[in-house]
Amino acid sequence: QVQLQESGSGLVRPSQTLSLTCAVSGASMSSGPYTWSWIRQPPGKGLEWIGYIQHSGSTYYSRSLKSRLTFSIDGSKRQFSLMLNSVTAADTAMYYCARELLPGYFDFWGRGILVTVSS
Amino acid sequence: DIVLTQSPGTLSLSPGERATLSCRASQGVSSSFLAWYQQKPGQAPRLLIYGASTRATGIPDRFSGSGSGTDFTLAISRLEPEDFAVYYCQQYGTSRKTFGGGTKVEIK
Repeated sequence: QVQLQESGSGLVRPSQTLSLTCAVSGASMSSGPYTWSWIRQPPGKGLEWIGYIQHSGSTYYSRSLKSRLTFSIDGSKRQFSLMLNSVTAADTAMYYCARELLPGYFDFWGRGILVTVSS
Repeated sequence: DIVLTQSPGTLSLSPGERATLSCRASQGVSSSFLAWYQQKPGQAPRLLIYGASTRATGIPDRFSGSGSGTDFTLAISRLEPEDFAVYYCQQYGTSRKTFGGGTKVEIK
């Protein structure tokens, strides 16, 4: 069974960098019709797709977050990561990592990690 | 980006009733690349339907999806107690995926 687990800081100061990692088990990250994605959900609101990274390291980001985002992947460690810089309170959300089955729906999700941006 | 509008925002129904949820796209969704998810409080979303009408593994047949182009529907034939949740549609016809705002199905 494929499992994903987010980890990282749950509290980030405004203007600082949010860093999260997603650990993957039960699936190969380097083969198959998959990409590895991040999705977030502000408290009480809907889902927002953030972007994805392929096992090759190629990335595709949300238009609204592109200038602040960096994704990375380490297949040997079975994990991928997100960095979002210059955060504000608007970045407060539950962050989910998910496996994206091509052509682009999400078949496995992590449980999510709540990140709060506050001083 | 393709904007997905879900309606109604809230659906109040009783167990055993039929639920019909709508998802309308601002432009055509290519190849019916439309998925539906269910989310319960405190949980991650769960994939229900992909390709507009194909049920994901383990999803009961009371859930069905239909539609094409700009208009899509999720139907739940007979609501079970565990079906009361929020439902989201998602398009993947473009590289930048988008989600609808969600429909909450609540107990009447």
